[in-house]
Amino acid sequence: GENVEQHPSTLSVQEGDSAVIKCTYSDSASNYFPWYKQELGKRPQLIIDIRSNVGEKKDQRIAVTLNKTAKHFSLHITETQPEDSAVYFCAASRSGGYQKVTFGTGTKLQVIP
Amino acid sequence: NAGVTQTPKFQVLKTGQSMTLQCAQDMNHEYMSWYRQDPGMGLRLIHYSVGAGITDQGEVPNGYNVSRSTTEDFPLRLLSAAPSQTSVYFCASRTGGWWYFGPGTRLTVT
Repeated sequence: GENVEQHPSTLSVQEGDSAVIKCTYSDSASNYFPWYKQELGKRPQLIIDIRSNVGEKKDQRIAVTLNKTAKHFSLHITETQPEDSAVYFCAASRSGGYQKVTFGTGTKLQVIP
Repeated sequence: NAGVTQTPKFQVLKTGQSMTLQCAQDMNHEYMSWYRQDPGMGLRLIHYSVGAGITDQGEVPNGYNVSRSTTEDFPLRLLSAAPSQTSVYFCASRTGGWWYFGPGTRLTVT
């Protein structure tokens, strides 16, 4: 089955700096890579996703990059703000019908004001 | 739309007790899943359903049962609670590629 590794497990940055979270996956057939943000005590919420036919996707201050050859993808947050503090999960799955989603173990991001 | 709802929000059980965690969605989603979340282990799939009457096991199904008699409801039953089942449980439903999560149930088994 799929295995997703996520690094780092914790990340502290100064407000205004950039943050990068990296994930690798094992199943070469995976072609859908969502990222979820979970604030303390809340539910995970999708913030951005990327499909394998795209190398990069941006949405305001967040971007994801995908390297299919190396089987890794990354989340980039620029100009970080205190409200970006949360746990971020990467995930990978195949597409079509029901496909099990495999989640990374999470990165706790702390943005220091 | 209420989205995905879960009850209860918190529950304490004694070892050996049974209970049902409720999950409902009003978005007419075919696919639904139950996850458990433990520190440092991310979200692990317990059971899932691809439609009313169809369920299957996920990564960590032991000790849990599910049923899907309607599109809206997907309850999770703990048969005989064990301390190892102390966790936060999330129900989720999907449209396209996006999974929508419920607010979670924090379960403690003593």
